[in-house]
Amino acid sequence: NAGVTQTPKFQVLKTGQSMTLQCAQDMNHEYMSWYRQDPGMGLRLIHYSVGAGITDQGEVPNGYNVSRSTTEDFPLRLLSAAPSQTSVYFCASQFRWRGSRFLRGAELFFGEGSRLTVL
Amino acid sequence: QKEVEQDPGPLSVPEGAIVSLNCTYSNSAFQYFMWYRQYSRKGPELLMYTYSSGNKEDGRFTAQVDKSSKYISLFIRDSQPSDSATYLCAMRGTGANNLFFGTGTRLTVIP
Repeated sequence: NAGVTQTPKFQVLKTGQSMTLQCAQDMNHEYMSWYRQDPGMGLRLIHYSVGAGITDQGEVPNGYNVSRSTTEDFPLRLLSAAPSQTSVYFCASQFRWRGSRFLRGAELFFGEGSRLTVL
Repeated sequence: QKEVEQDPGPLSVPEGAIVSLNCTYSNSAFQYFMWYRQYSRKGPELLMYTYSSGNKEDGRFTAQVDKSSKYISLFIRDSQPSDSATYLCAMRGTGANNLFFGTGTRLTVIP
């Protein structure tokens, strides 16, 4: 299994450009999410989805757009890149939380990250 | 105030030392507590998880949760250079999918 695959791994944009970070998982996870990681700020949730056709905002959604047309894919779109969006972006997935029992294998799995620089 | 607070370090210890990493939180609804380990330029990976209060041991790692103080800890015994990484605490409430993360503590174990 490939797990969670993110592309591209590195990207440099100019202010105002748009782009899409791709994320795909092959574990049949219902829940997928996007985080950004910045020094001193930790991982902050941008958007998430609990299934195909369902998306919702996280802590820092402004300037980003998502869609979930299939279970496997969850792309993140930057509409008009700004220097403040320079960050490392992580896609993550898990089985949708049910009940109260934590099962090993039900945890959040992360991709390897996409490093984005906006000039 | 952030929901989860974690000292960012950095923390540098000699090989074989006992390491203590800590997080505090403010949301009393959090019931599931996790520690993720992140190597440089990699994604985080789950290291340990604990439900509610108590201790859990896995090899050289021990996770503790004190819900009355809203305080969680990760102890690493006989630390190894391969333990050098950033450690992130994370937590969620019952029935919730979203995880709340600490900022991470960067640990270096010196041979």
